[in-house]
Amino acid sequence: DAGVTQSPTHLIKTRGQQVTLRCSPKSGHDTVSWYQQALGQGPQFIFQYYEEEERQRGNFPDRFSGHQYPNYSSELNVNALLLGDSALYLCASSALRPDKETQYFGPGTRLLVL
Amino acid sequence: AQSVTQPDIHITVSEGASLELRCNYSYGATPYLFWYVQSPGQGLQLLLKYFSGDTLVQGIKGFEAEFKRSQSSFNLRKPSVHWSDAAEYFCAVAAYSGAGSYQLTFGKGTKLSVIP
Repeated sequence: DAGVTQSPTHLIKTRGQQVTLRCSPKSGHDTVSWYQQALGQGPQFIFQYYEEEERQRGNFPDRFSGHQYPNYSSELNVNALLLGDSALYLCASSALRPDKETQYFGPGTRLLVL
Repeated sequence: AQSVTQPDIHITVSEGASLELRCNYSYGATPYLFWYVQSPGQGLQLLLKYFSGDTLVQGIKGFEAEFKRSQSSFNLRKPSVHWSDAAEYFCAVAAYSGAGSYQLTFGKGTKLSVIP
């Protein structure tokens, strides 16, 4: 049973560029959440997708956007990158039934903005 | 708004010693609580979770945690630490955000070092 997978594992971009990160949820899961983890901090909630719609959003600017596909995989897009966007980006998946509160995390994508 | 506090940034214990990592939460309703572990450069692995019922929950790798509503705490314990337990530990609370969905709010983490 494959767990949550993310690609790429590492990425280097320059300020002002755009980036797309990808996530495939655990088998049987239909909900994908994205988190940003800055160095030395706990993960912070960016947004959550279910049924191809953004259901909830944390305190992140509109530069952060996402998408969910019919196969439940998801993308996180960040436009106009800033140095402060350098972080580990974590994807988590969960199932609406029955254990909807529990999220399982992927290995993350480490983004460095120069 | 919900919040999680992990008072200890860094803890060092000797291998074989007991361990307790502290977690305090703030949430207006019945909390769903989690402990995750993160090894360097890795994602988060779920150790255990509390939804309801028995306030002492067992997890993987010999960890347990006790929910104390009166103290708003969910401390993680292990009777005998192994060198492989060295990692960062995060406590989280799941807040209901509508339409059947939940979002996790994490503490800042406690880094555990183990002395051989």
